Amino acid sequence: KAGVTQTPRYLIKTRGQQVTLSCSPISGHRSVSWYQQTPGQGLQFLFEYFSETQRNKGNFPGRFSGRQFSNSRSEMNVSTLELGDSALYLCASSFQRGDTEAFFGQGTRLTVV
Amino acid sequence: EDQVTQSPEALRLQEGESSSLNCSYTVSGLRGLFWYRQDPGKGPEFLFTLYSAGEEKEKERLKATLTKKESFLHITAPKPEDSATYLCAVPPPGNTPLVFGKGTRLSVIA
Repeated sequence: KAGVTQTPRYLIKTRGQQVTLSCSPISGHRSVSWYQQTPGQGLQFLFEYFSETQRNKGNFPGRFSGRQFSNSRSEMNVSTLELGDSALYLCASSFQRGDTEAFFGQGTRLTVV
Repeated sequence: EDQVTQSPEALRLQEGESSSLNCSYTVSGLRGLFWYRQDPGKGPEFLFTLYSAGEEKEKERLKATLTKKESFLHITAPKPEDSATYLCAVPPPGNTPLVFGKGTRLSVIA
């Protein structure tokens, strides 16, 4: 059974650009959550999607957005990149919302220069 | 506010030197506690789920236990390959996202 797949693994972007990250959840999983991880802040929740609808959103500016497709694949977009957006972006999938185990992808390392 | 606190922040052990990592939480009505292992630059790898006080789970040299206010991850006779950051997480009430602790960075020296 394939795990959570995130693409690309690494990205280097310039300030002001925008970026789109992709996440394919485990087959059959319908809940996808996104996290930002930085050395000082740990794992910070960005948003959660379930059945193509955003169910929860973390405390991030509107430059961060996402969506989920009918096949449960999800994308997140960051517009007008800032240096502080440099981080490891992680996607987690779970079968249902709430208290089931979440399984993470390998992450996308975004560097903004 | 729901909180998850892990201690110590970093731990350095000699190979074979057993120890424990702590995860304390203030979430009301606990509906599960999850442990993850994360290697540098990679996504967290799921280890255990604990649901009720007194429950224990084991995997190789790791054993996780749960009380009403905290969880421990016991590492018995660790090896250098156990070096990683260990994260714990809890689901708050309702369908809200997991709350993660900041992790314990474990280094096992040969």
